[in-house]
Amino acid sequence: EAQVTQNPRYLITVTGKKLTVTCSQNMNHEYMSWYRQDPGLGLRQIYYSMNVEVTDKGDVPEGYKVSRKEKRNFPLILESPSPNQTSLYFCASSPTGGGYTFGSGTRLTVV
Amino acid sequence: GNSVTQMEGPVTLSEEAFLTINCTYTATGYPSLFWYVQYPGEGLQLLLKATKADDKGSNKGFEATYRKETTSFHLEKGSVQVSDSAVYFCALNRVSGNTPLVFGKGTRLSVIA
Repeated sequence: EAQVTQNPRYLITVTGKKLTVTCSQNMNHEYMSWYRQDPGLGLRQIYYSMNVEVTDKGDVPEGYKVSRKEKRNFPLILESPSPNQTSLYFCASSPTGGGYTFGSGTRLTVV
Repeated sequence: GNSVTQMEGPVTLSEEAFLTINCTYTATGYPSLFWYVQYPGEGLQLLLKATKADDKGSNKGFEATYRKETTSFHLEKGSVQVSDSAVYFCALNRVSGNTPLVFGKGTRLSVIA
């Protein structure tokens, strides 16, 4: 089944403790992206990647890192999480010019 | 830059009512336009899309027509059901160059029996 898989689905962590949210797609898509969803703000792009080893900042990149060493994986790294990064995170992938396939989301709480 | 503006919700309708959710966009060139739907507790799913002017996207009884002259892509459904209750997002990207998908802020629809 064609899908984008994110893990974990839920995560509660403490301020400053490094964490990684994984994202993997099995559709051989070139393009991958991370969004955060917050009430009243909709979806905002954090980082995106056009292809392997090509990443770029979205609208809200501060406090986040990404890497794209393989085509299928696009992990999101929070080196030192803070409470303002409490949010619902979505990974998405698409073929060039196509519509996105989204993961099921990761609900992160930083206390 | 590219942007999408959609009507603010929440929208509450009775079952079998007619639905319109307005969406207008600003973009250079000729973007592809999308509607995504997010059901409670789930990720976003592509509902329909249109890639050029006057195209009509349709799916599950929903329709939207790409209107270049008014830069709009309004979502419509003739008769909503309780199961249509969700958040709807209008979005755009360019066919070429694969610029990031830009979303509207979402419109929450609640359909009551």
